[in-house]
Amino acid sequence: EVQLLESGGGLVQPGGSLRLSCAASGFTFSSYAMSWVRQAPGKGLEWVSTISGSGGSTYNADSVKGRFTISRDNSKNTLYLQMNSLTAEDTAVYYCAKMYGITQIDYWGQGALVTVSS
Amino acid sequence: QSALTQTASVSGSPGQSITISCTGTSSDVGGYNSVSWYQQHPGKAPKVLIYEVSNRPSGVSYRFSGSKSGNTASLTISGLQAEDEADYYCSSYTSSSNVVFGGGTKLTVL
Repeated sequence: EVQLLESGGGLVQPGGSLRLSCAASGFTFSSYAMSWVRQAPGKGLEWVSTISGSGGSTYNADSVKGRFTISRDNSKNTLYLQMNSLTAEDTAVYYCAKMYGITQIDYWGQGALVTVSS
Repeated sequence: QSALTQTASVSGSPGQSITISCTGTSSDVGGYNSVSWYQQHPGKAPKVLIYEVSNRPSGVSYRFSGSKSGNTASLTISGLQAEDEADYYCSSYTSSSNVVFGGGTKLTVL
């Protein structure tokens, strides 16, 4: 059974940094691309970043380019999202997602809430 | 990358069928068969209903079906049930190597 468990969410001040983690199990982690998707309170889904199975290729939404970095440790079956220069507009539930190929999501985690506020 | 266009809300009575549309461009929906649909109940994570335009993952009810014509994809729910009341989102791969979502459609079962 595929399981994705996010951690690292919380309250952070504007301008601050936070790192999210996603522990994966139930599949061969290194064989699949992974993504982060976020959802602001009361809003729709927004794709954030995708990383290939090897970690050699990454793709980022314009809204987070230069501020967020997606990475993975295949030896630990863990996906990361390093978030810097956070603003109130980054407040959202962040979902870890397993990709089908590199184009579609087939499994979602339960999400981690990130609140950016002073 | 602009969000895909979905009707904000749709409603139907139990037993009826409804269709939710998702309109994009030739750079996303029209250019790839990488269209997916997700169901999200309040406070829950999204669940995959459809992938590759019309494929259903194992465990998803046959009442959910997907299709595409040109730049518009559609999700049809037949035999509406109370438990189908939720938000529905489409997504597509894009020519920019991104994934773009629709704005979401709130389904109300009357």
